[in-house]
Amino acid sequence: DAMVIQNPRYQVTQFGKPVTLSCSQTLNHNVMYWYQQKSSQAPKLLFHYYDKDFNNEADTPDNFQSRRPNTSFCFLDIRSPGLGDTAMYLCATSRERQGKATQYFGPGTRLLVL
Amino acid sequence: GQNIDQPTEMTATEGAIVQINCTYQTSGFNGLFWYQQHAGEAPTFLSYNVLDGLEEKGRFSSFLSRSKGYSYLLLKELQMKDSASYLCAVRDAYSGAGSYQLTFGKGTKLSVIP
Repeated sequence: DAMVIQNPRYQVTQFGKPVTLSCSQTLNHNVMYWYQQKSSQAPKLLFHYYDKDFNNEADTPDNFQSRRPNTSFCFLDIRSPGLGDTAMYLCATSRERQGKATQYFGPGTRLLVL
Repeated sequence: GQNIDQPTEMTATEGAIVQINCTYQTSGFNGLFWYQQHAGEAPTFLSYNVLDGLEEKGRFSSFLSRSKGYSYLLLKELQMKDSASYLCAVRDAYSGAGSYQLTFGKGTKLSVIP
């Protein structure tokens, strides 16, 4: 059974047209992450939620926003997508505790901005 | 700064053994992960090392030397399905509120040939 679910799996949008990607998890993990991965590049952390606390990376564009209405769901909003935002967007979750906290990834959303 | 280096591509023969190296220089260290990522799919967890030495899990083993900033992933009895990218990720800086960040390498694309 899928534990981290992302919708949609594929999204095509026009330049400047807002888009929302969703992530849900059945693991009851307290931390949720959003990564951007461009072709042949490493996943790049955009931001993460530790419980309800939002942590933004310093170099994440203001164009990217996130919401976490409850433990299970997290959304990535791209307010005005540019062509350079074409990428795979990965949601991950973890339960932070002493020792390792493995991140479990969803299947990703492939976003194409035209 | 954060710097994680892995070879870009490797090719190996079905049934053989392959070693994928990773070197890192990060501002902190709280463990090293290896993930497997098939083309167009999300990363899946393979292994975790936080202490020096070898961790074995079936056909996959991972080694860590913290003093050298070095890790490797060893894959034995290669199968065609092992063709994928292998991502080295270091759990480094403490992000506050009890969470840590993962910094990923760009990944090593492994091609297994008959």
